[in-house]
Amino acid sequence: DAGVTQSPTHLIKTRGQQVTLRCSPKSGHDTVSWYQQALGQGPQFIFQYYEEEERQRGNFPDRFSGHQFPNYSSELNVNALLLGDSALYLCASSLPGLGLETQYFGPGTRLLVL
Amino acid sequence: GESVGLHLPTLSVQEGDNSIINCAYSNSASDYFIWYKQESGKGPQFIIDIRSNMDKRQGQRVTVLLNKTVKHLSLQIAATQPGDSAVYFCAEKRAGGTSYGKLTFGQGTILTVHP
Repeated sequence: DAGVTQSPTHLIKTRGQQVTLRCSPKSGHDTVSWYQQALGQGPQFIFQYYEEEERQRGNFPDRFSGHQFPNYSSELNVNALLLGDSALYLCASSLPGLGLETQYFGPGTRLLVL
Repeated sequence: GESVGLHLPTLSVQEGDNSIINCAYSNSASDYFIWYKQESGKGPQFIIDIRSNMDKRQGQRVTVLLNKTVKHLSLQIAATQPGDSAVYFCAEKRAGGTSYGKLTFGQGTILTVHP
């Protein structure tokens, strides 16, 4: 049973560019959350997708957007990249429910903005 | 605002010792608390969780204690092994409301186990 997978593993972009990160949830999971983890910090919640809609959003600008597909996989898009967007981007999947379901994380995508 | 924080940023122990990692949270409305382990270059790995209607939960070699009176959470690791060396995060979640589905993480504690 495959866990949460993410691609690519590493990415280098320059300021002003756009990036798309991808996530496939754990088998049987239909809810996907995205987090940003700066070096030496805990993950920060970006948003969560359920039934192809953004269900909840953290304190991130509109440059961060996402999408969920009918097969529950998800994409995170970041426009107009800033140096401060350099971080590990984590995807987590969970079962639907009342919000107390365990979130299982993927290995992350390491983004470096130059 | 809501926050989850840790008392000790680093913890060094000898192999075989018991480890205790602490966490303070500020939101009394939290329903659910989780401990994650993150090894270098990997995503957080679920260790154990506890709901707010419990004060103790045990897993394999790990125990989580919740003290709602002082808003304190701890993770106890028995017979710590070198493979336990990692960064440990506590996280908090509330069911429903505006924080539906959102995990709030603390800063993390670096656990180093010396052979």
